[in-house]
Amino acid sequence: AQSVAQPEDQVNVAEGNPLTVKCTYSVSGNPYLFWYVQYPNRGLQFLLKYITGDNLVKGSYGFEAEFNKSQTSFHLKKPSALVSDSALYFCAVRDGFNKFYFGSGTKLNVKP
Amino acid sequence: GAVVSQHPSWVICKSGTSVKIECRSLDFQATTMFWYRQFPKQSLMLMATSNEGSKATYEQGVEKDKFLINHASLTLSTLTVTSAHPEDSSFYICSASVSYYNEQFFGPGTRLTVL
Repeated sequence: AQSVAQPEDQVNVAEGNPLTVKCTYSVSGNPYLFWYVQYPNRGLQFLLKYITGDNLVKGSYGFEAEFNKSQTSFHLKKPSALVSDSALYFCAVRDGFNKFYFGSGTKLNVKP
Repeated sequence: GAVVSQHPSWVICKSGTSVKIECRSLDFQATTMFWYRQFPKQSLMLMATSNEGSKATYEQGVEKDKFLINHASLTLSTLTVTSAHPEDSSFYICSASVSYYNEQFFGPGTRLTVL
């Protein structure tokens, strides 16, 4: 069975500091991993995905994520956080039937 | 490209009435559409998968008679919440895919409040 865990309900970071939002996964077969961001009362916006290739994936708005097979992790990172990055972030894994399994979400608070 | 819209963006209805939510792929043909439900401060829960021209596949625990899904064309899927009750109040999000194995693009969501 596929599953995704986001161990932190909330992450607080000061503007300008680097941020990390953690995600670990459990899949059978090759993992297809995604990060999405959700602003209040809005749908999900795609940030980046890992299918194959380089372990470091670069995405939208300066975000990147590192795929680590040995640790089964796919942490989202950004070198310098912006207040406008404050939102809810979801990690997801897609199975072979194109079904998405979402993590519980991590609320990112970036303080000025 | 790859824009998905939902209508309405929010709706308030009385208990016992039915509500229809539309999901449209604006610039591509979506063979497959997915419907999710999101409770406050919780993750998305897949409700059903709909393929154009065929019956939807519902996830375990989702009442197919309660949540009617129709995918009549390659650009439109509808979710009808029948005889809505306050516990059906939620944020409903759809996604669309060119095919079963392609990228999913998400709609902006519909906030349903049942009084």
